[in-house]
Amino acid sequence: DVKVTQSSRYLVKRTGEKVFLECVQDMDHENMFWYRQDPGLGLRLIYFSYDVKMKEKGDIPEGYSVSREKKERFSLILESASTNQTSMYLCASSPRVSGRISTGELFFGEGSRLTVL
Amino acid sequence: AQSVSQHNHHVILSEAASLELGCNYSYGGTVNLFWYVQYPGQHLQLLLKYFSGDPLVKGIKGFEAEFIKSKFSFNLRKPSVQWSDTAEYFCALRTSNAGKSTFGDGTTLTVKP
Repeated sequence: DVKVTQSSRYLVKRTGEKVFLECVQDMDHENMFWYRQDPGLGLRLIYFSYDVKMKEKGDIPEGYSVSREKKERFSLILESASTNQTSMYLCASSPRVSGRISTGELFFGEGSRLTVL
Repeated sequence: AQSVSQHNHHVILSEAASLELGCNYSYGGTVNLFWYVQYPGQHLQLLLKYFSGDPLVKGIKGFEAEFIKSKFSFNLRKPSVQWSDTAEYFCALRTSNAGKSTFGDGTTLTVKP
């Protein structure tokens, strides 16, 4: 089974703090994604990466950055956390079929619930 | 830009009732469509997917969905729901020229025993 592991299930941070959310997948997937999940808004894509050191902005990248130094690890960084970044953060991975196109099926981690006070 | 719309935010059914959850998308080209499910306290997982071919696709736990291209729809169905189907359901779209998926807002299904 594909396993996507997110380092922290629950975090509480203060406004202005720098926050790191780590994600590791064990199935050699090329593509990795960070979404945030908010009630009534579904999942919104923050950033994704289709290869090591490659990244692309999703629909809501403002206030976030990412890092992918190794194929299995994709980190989400909040440079200066704000209260409107309180949310559930979901990491996902998927395999690549050819080029930048993946099969599309996403494998999700269990999520990291971040509260910013 | 692509988008996904799920018509029902919260559906409440009794056990053995039939289920249909609506999903419509907006995109003019080739699409791949998915339904994901999130059971209480668990991570999101794939329920079923449509890539090409037969527009009626079957997934796990007796779910199925029909892709109707002319209606831009991919509705999820189950003839008889169980209490264990209580979960949140997400429809998602992936366009053929991008690796990312766009999700609908989700539908919370509550099945009363």
